[in-house]
Amino acid sequence: DAKTTQPTSMDCAEGRAANLPCNHSTISGNEYVYWYRQIHSQGPQYIIHGLKNNETNEMASLIITEDRKSSTLILPHATLRDTAVYYCIVRGGPSGSARQLTFGSGTQLTVLP
Amino acid sequence: DADVTQTPRNRITKTGKRIMLECSQTKGHDRMYWYRQDPGLGLRLIYYSFDVKDINKGEISDGYSVSRQAQAKFSLSLESAIPNQTALYFCATSDPGTGIYEQYFGPGTRLTVT
Repeated sequence: DAKTTQPTSMDCAEGRAANLPCNHSTISGNEYVYWYRQIHSQGPQYIIHGLKNNETNEMASLIITEDRKSSTLILPHATLRDTAVYYCIVRGGPSGSARQLTFGSGTQLTVLP
Repeated sequence: DADVTQTPRNRITKTGKRIMLECSQTKGHDRMYWYRQDPGLGLRLIYYSFDVKDINKGEISDGYSVSRQAQAKFSLSLESAIPNQTALYFCATSDPGTGIYEQYFGPGTRLTVT
């Protein structure tokens, strides 16, 4: 499985866009990029995933570079409730065999008032 | 109401006791998972189940057992609890139609073994 590299921590002003980067330079052609977040001691929450194309849902946007070696999760208007650890995970797609979600250390995003 | 519920939310038990953690879901998902999280670390998979008759060991199954009583229920047991099983335990579900990596987690059970 491709490894991911994320900054340890980031701050963002409330109401501004939060852009969280992730490097996954060893990603293979059939691997997807998934983003989860974990608010302190709560269960992780699925945010979004993508393969090649940019994706958007009600929570966030995912921008994947053309060479797929990096991606950015965008929270368009961060609120205090978005303060959490954000995990970027690269794994096989829906047809992949069962494996755990491997959560690395993630990025601690702190939204400042 | 929460889609994935776990009981109890907090539990303190003594070394050597048998303890059961329960997970219920109303999402209608076939796949269910048990993870543990230690402070400052990521999640590690204990067991997973793709349907009622399918149970599989995960990365760290020693000292644990599971029971899939129904599609909606998946229980985790610690046969003889030990202090290094003190952790935060999460149950999760997923739908084969949307992929095993789009998982939905419960609120967690904080277990302390003294």
